[in-house]
Amino acid sequence: AQSVTQLGSHVSVSEGALVLLRCNYSSSVPPYLFWYVQYPNQGLQLLLKYTSAATLVKGINGFEAEFKKSETSFHLTKPSAHMSDAAEYFCAVSDRNQFYFGTGTSLTVIP
Amino acid sequence: DAGVTQSPTHLIKTRGQQVTLRCSPKSGHDTVSWYQQALGQGPQFIFQYYEEEERQRGNFPDRFSGHQFPNYSSELNVNALLLGDSALYLCASTDSRSGANVLTFGAGSRLTVL
Repeated sequence: AQSVTQLGSHVSVSEGALVLLRCNYSSSVPPYLFWYVQYPNQGLQLLLKYTSAATLVKGINGFEAEFKKSETSFHLTKPSAHMSDAAEYFCAVSDRNQFYFGTGTSLTVIP
Repeated sequence: DAGVTQSPTHLIKTRGQQVTLRCSPKSGHDTVSWYQQALGQGPQFIFQYYEEEERQRGNFPDRFSGHQFPNYSSELNVNALLLGDSALYLCASTDSRSGANVLTFGAGSRLTVL
């Protein structure tokens, strides 16, 4: 069975500070891992995906994530938070036909 | 290029009623998946349609059914609505031929059951 766990349902950072959103996965096979972002009253938008090509994955809007097999982690980072980054972030793992999402982390950016 | 479009955007039903939600996939996509997102939760997989057949199903009761049409659009039907069915229903599409395994989501249909 595949699953993801997102540690911290709410994260607050100051504008310009480092963003770190945590995700740990459980998968019986080499995983496909994703981060999606959801703005209020919108669907989910893909930030980045890991498909075993490289352990450090760069996404849109300055976000990146590092796949660490030894820690079964896929944490999302951004060096400098912007007000527009305030949103809900979801980590997901897939088995090709089905995605398994975490419960989400709400990011607040303090001016 | 239109993305995934869903209708209606909002609707209110009462317990016991039936609802139909509609989805048009992104141009060029042939596979449609439906997810339920309860308030404060991540999306939960309902089922996936490919070539007009249900290919995979999540842990949802038979009250949830769907259909895919020859133009790849899809419907989600929920019968005998319960209060717990109140949620945002998300449609996502993919191109099975690309191998990219990336979901493109619509904005969702928010269902409230009273």
